[in-house]
Amino acid sequence: AQSVTQPDIHITVSEGASLELRCNYSYGATPYLFWYVQSPGQGLQLLLKYFSGDTLVQGIKGFEAEFKRSQSSFNLRKPSVHWSDAAEYFCAVGAGDSSASKIIFGSGTRLSIRP
Amino acid sequence: DTGVSQNPRHKITKRGQNVTFRCDPISEHNRLYWYRQTLGQGPEFLTYFQNEAQLEKSRLLSDRFSAERPKGSFSTLEIQRTEQGDSAMYLCASSSQGGFGEAFFGQGTRLTVV
Repeated sequence: AQSVTQPDIHITVSEGASLELRCNYSYGATPYLFWYVQSPGQGLQLLLKYFSGDTLVQGIKGFEAEFKRSQSSFNLRKPSVHWSDAAEYFCAVGAGDSSASKIIFGSGTRLSIRP
Repeated sequence: DTGVSQNPRHKITKRGQNVTFRCDPISEHNRLYWYRQTLGQGPEFLTYFQNEAQLEKSRLLSDRFSAERPKGSFSTLEIQRTEQGDSAMYLCASSSQGGFGEAFFGQGTRLTVV
């Protein structure tokens, strides 16, 4: 069955420091991978997605993620975090074919920013 | 505003009552999803529509839950005989057809069953 694991429940980094959020997926075929961000009181917003091609994908707000098939990973990175990046981050995998598609989410990583 | 709209934003109900939530997707999107999110967890898939057809339902969706999308536009999610365990945020999302297009989420309806 398709699944997503985010091993870090909560991460705190200093403002200006680099960030890496881990994501591992389980899926038999070529996965469709996503990172979403959820700020308090806000809906889920897509940061970036990977379907095929270049394994390093760029997203909004300066985020990027790298797809590594050999490690079944899709880690999210940002070179320098800002206080406004404090939020919950969800990794997700698209499952099923075109007739039964759904997105399966991990349990999330809460990011706190230290001033 | 052309985003996904959910109503109401908050709902408090007594155990055993029925509740209905509404989702208005982005107008040109033919795919619509319902998810449930509890505190500290990621969204859990409930069901999915392509136009008016309900193509998949999660085992999480018990017989007390029913979803409709009568004309392929807005959707409703009804919970009958609510239980305290139904307390959660119910999220709706929509996307356009064609592989896994970006899913746009509404802000959700927070249900509290007392």
